Amino acid sequence: EDQVTQSPEALRLQEGESSSLNCSYTVSGLRGLFWYRQDPGKGPEFLFTLYSAGEEKEKERLKATLTKKESFLHITAPKPEDSATYLCAVQLGRDDKIIFGKGTRLHILP
Amino acid sequence: GAGVSQTPSNKVTEKGKYVELRCDPISGHTALYWYRQSLGQGPEFLIYFQGTGAADDSGLPNDRFFAVRPEGSVSTLKIQRTERGDSAVYLCASSSTASGGVETQYFGPGTRLLVL
Repeated sequence: EDQVTQSPEALRLQEGESSSLNCSYTVSGLRGLFWYRQDPGKGPEFLFTLYSAGEEKEKERLKATLTKKESFLHITAPKPEDSATYLCAVQLGRDDKIIFGKGTRLHILP
Repeated sequence: GAGVSQTPSNKVTEKGKYVELRCDPISGHTALYWYRQSLGQGPEFLIYFQGTGAADDSGLPNDRFFAVRPEGSVSTLKIQRTERGDSAVYLCASSSTASGGVETQYFGPGTRLLVL
């Protein structure tokens, strides 16, 4: 069964304390992996698309990496405004369906 | 330019009633997705349109749920005989990618449905 698992479920960090969020997937063929940020009461906001193992993308304090089994979202020196739920999603190779993980709730303490 | 819009933003209804949720995608986007998100969960796929046709409706939970996109732009998700378990946030997303490509989706703010 195609599955996307994110860990940890929740993470509390002090401002400036770097960390990583994990997204592991077991799917029958990967066409693309996505990271989204979701603030309370809002729709997911697109961050990155990764296409193949070894690929990395950066945006401000965020860097996303991809291997054959998992992706990491690295957060460097986070600020309170980085607090949100971070969602990982994969698009299967065989069709256009996209499967989301449950997300990681990140809370950055000032 | 304008993003994906959804109306209404909130909908409260009674068990057994019929509801319609509307999605206006980004202009020119051919692909449109509907998702359902429960508290503490990620979005759950419901149905996907490429143009006017439903390319994949395998996520619709039962025949009370139906969606249309008659002119290839605006889409309406219709729920008949609503049940309390239908309460959730219904998200719509659109993409400019043709079928077979990598779908970077842009989401609307969602409609919060509460069935009493």
